[in-house]
Amino acid sequence: GAGVSQSPSNKVTEKGKDVELRCDPISGHTALYWYRQSLGQGLEFLIYFQGNSAPDKSGLPSDRFSAERTGGSVSTLTIQRTQQEDSAVYLCASSLDGSGAQAFFGQGTRLTVV
Amino acid sequence: RKEVEQDPGPFNVPEGATVAFNCTYSNSASQSFFWYRQDCRKEPKLLMSVYSSGNEDGRFTAQLNRASQYISLLIRDSKLSDSATYLCVVTYTGKLIFGQGTTLQVKP
Repeated sequence: GAGVSQSPSNKVTEKGKDVELRCDPISGHTALYWYRQSLGQGLEFLIYFQGNSAPDKSGLPSDRFSAERTGGSVSTLTIQRTQQEDSAVYLCASSLDGSGAQAFFGQGTRLTVV
Repeated sequence: RKEVEQDPGPFNVPEGATVAFNCTYSNSASQSFFWYRQDCRKEPKLLMSVYSSGNEDGRFTAQLNRASQYISLLIRDSKLSDSATYLCVVTYTGKLIFGQGTTLQVKP
């Protein structure tokens, strides 16, 4: 497809388990962003990639969170030893470059930790 | 202090009303400015870019005041379909920073 694709769309996991969330950006987009949105709240910045490198990891909430991007394309966000407070919608966006071009969002992964 | 601040609202207005949203940002080196719209349980989508000269797109007018670090969005002749959350966005060194959003409810 032509848009940003995220998988899975929904994930229910038990507390303490690890989860991997995937983002396929628009082809040719060098900038990729991860955000977290809790119910009724704004978008919380997690991490930003330019190509395969992450100039800004300042938003990752703890060392249980990590992300990588390979081949300048697909990115995975990994949450280890999930906690109930990790429950949220995780949104990925991509843009042509990091200079302020329009960002396009995927439909998000709704993570529920039980 | 949050990097981008918005009044969360909600703003409840009748159809046909004119409504204005404001946003302030803390980093004077911010580079680009946008308004995004987010419908309930949907992903954010770009509404319009914001320029210092001001720009208009139909019923929507956006304005940037760099000296005051202030961004505005004016919606004229509100429609029921304008009901959504409006997100103020600034960029700094490639990072997209979102405000908390302002919720608009347009009533018949």
